[in-house]
Amino acid sequence: DAGVTQSPTHLIKTRGQQVTLRCSPISGHKSVSWYQQVLGQGPQFIFQYYEKEERGRGNFPDRFSARQFPNYSSELNVNALLLGDSALYLCASSRGVSETEQYFGPGTRLTVT
Amino acid sequence: GNSVTQMEGPVTLSEEAFLTINCTYTATGYPSLFWYVQYPGEGLQLLLKATKADDKGSNKGFEATYRKETTSFHLEKGSVQVSDSAVYFCALSETYNQGGKLIFGQGTELSVKP
Repeated sequence: DAGVTQSPTHLIKTRGQQVTLRCSPISGHKSVSWYQQVLGQGPQFIFQYYEKEERGRGNFPDRFSARQFPNYSSELNVNALLLGDSALYLCASSRGVSETEQYFGPGTRLTVT
Repeated sequence: GNSVTQMEGPVTLSEEAFLTINCTYTATGYPSLFWYVQYPGEGLQLLLKATKADDKGSNKGFEATYRKETTSFHLEKGSVQVSDSAVYFCALSETYNQGGKLIFGQGTELSVKP
């Protein structure tokens, strides 16, 4: 079975622009979570979605938003990009909403210049 | 709030040396504990887990025991290989109303020399 997939792999944006990152979970997994990993640090939780509804949100500004589609894939949107948004964005999937054994995709490397 | 603290890296070892990476946590309740590994340029891979006190998680020669009395989950391997060079993350689960997430430590970089 395919693992979690993310696109694009790399992305370069300019300050003030908007970006959309995409994630497809493992088949049979209904929960998708997003994490931000700044260089040299551990991942930080951004969102969790389950059955198309937001179930949790980390300490991130409203510039960050996400959604989940009927096929359980998900998009993360970041508006008004700042230099500090440069990071590896990781998507993780799990079978259920409260199951914390999560499986991660390879990530999208976002660079804001 | 809940948190995870790992020993700082980088850790440099010779091949076949014994590895310990320390991890301690602060949590309310009884979280599950995890070790993830991240190879250069890749995402995180689940290495092992433990869901309750005194559980031992193991995989690929790595082991970690959930110690509630010392709030620790140290990662060990008896004989490391060059291919074990990576960044290792300790994490705990935090459940909340209608959801669950992982809280990670800052990561420990391991470099194994031939």
